[in-house]
Amino acid sequence: DTGVSQDPRHKITKRGQNVTFRCDPISEHNRLYWYRQTLGQGPEFLTYFQNEAQLEKSRLLSDRFSAERPKGSFSTLEIQRTEQGDSAMYLCASSPQGGKEGTDTQYFGPGTRLTVL
Amino acid sequence: ELKVEQNPLFLSMQEGKNYTIYCNYSTTSDRLYWYRQDPGKSLESLFVLLSNGAVKQEGRLMASLDTKARLSTLHITAAVHDLSATYFCAVDIPSGTYKYIFGTGTRLKVLA
Repeated sequence: DTGVSQDPRHKITKRGQNVTFRCDPISEHNRLYWYRQTLGQGPEFLTYFQNEAQLEKSRLLSDRFSAERPKGSFSTLEIQRTEQGDSAMYLCASSPQGGKEGTDTQYFGPGTRLTVL
Repeated sequence: ELKVEQNPLFLSMQEGKNYTIYCNYSTTSDRLYWYRQDPGKSLESLFVLLSNGAVKQEGRLMASLDTKARLSTLHITAAVHDLSATYFCAVDIPSGTYKYIFGTGTRLKVLA
């Protein structure tokens, strides 16, 4: 079990460019979450997948954001026409359905830090 | 809307001292999670509290949950420098997605 991985770890882009992040969850975890964390704040929920189905999107996820999990394994988060306000740490987490002790503990990846110039 | 509040937001303490971080939440939930985050790093799971009265301990940290008061505490005993980090509590929403709502975080600095 290698844990949740994310790529890239850091991304610097110019305003208006598109960026895409990848998340590989722990194998056999069917639940996958994306969160965004800005400096000095707690993570905020963006979107949730159960297997390949995107079941919930936060109001934070504007039309410029899109997420996919095409085969129920890895996921991508794309931001189009980036703005300076998109600068943040983007965290991915996964959890098993009906995990140990019935918990839904989420295991977080290392995050992708996005800086929009 | 569910809100999760922590206090204090910042805590500077001497090594060897005890202190408690508080986490209040605004809606019914039986499950609460504590995470640790080091600067520039991701979140590390510390405790999972699943029911009223639950208490978990690991080393110098002890967490408890009072679902009636909608309150969780993280108690630090005889702090050491290595405990310096930001601590978050999170409540999940049992609405099918089990997404987390995180608290504001408590930035702990233990002075040698």
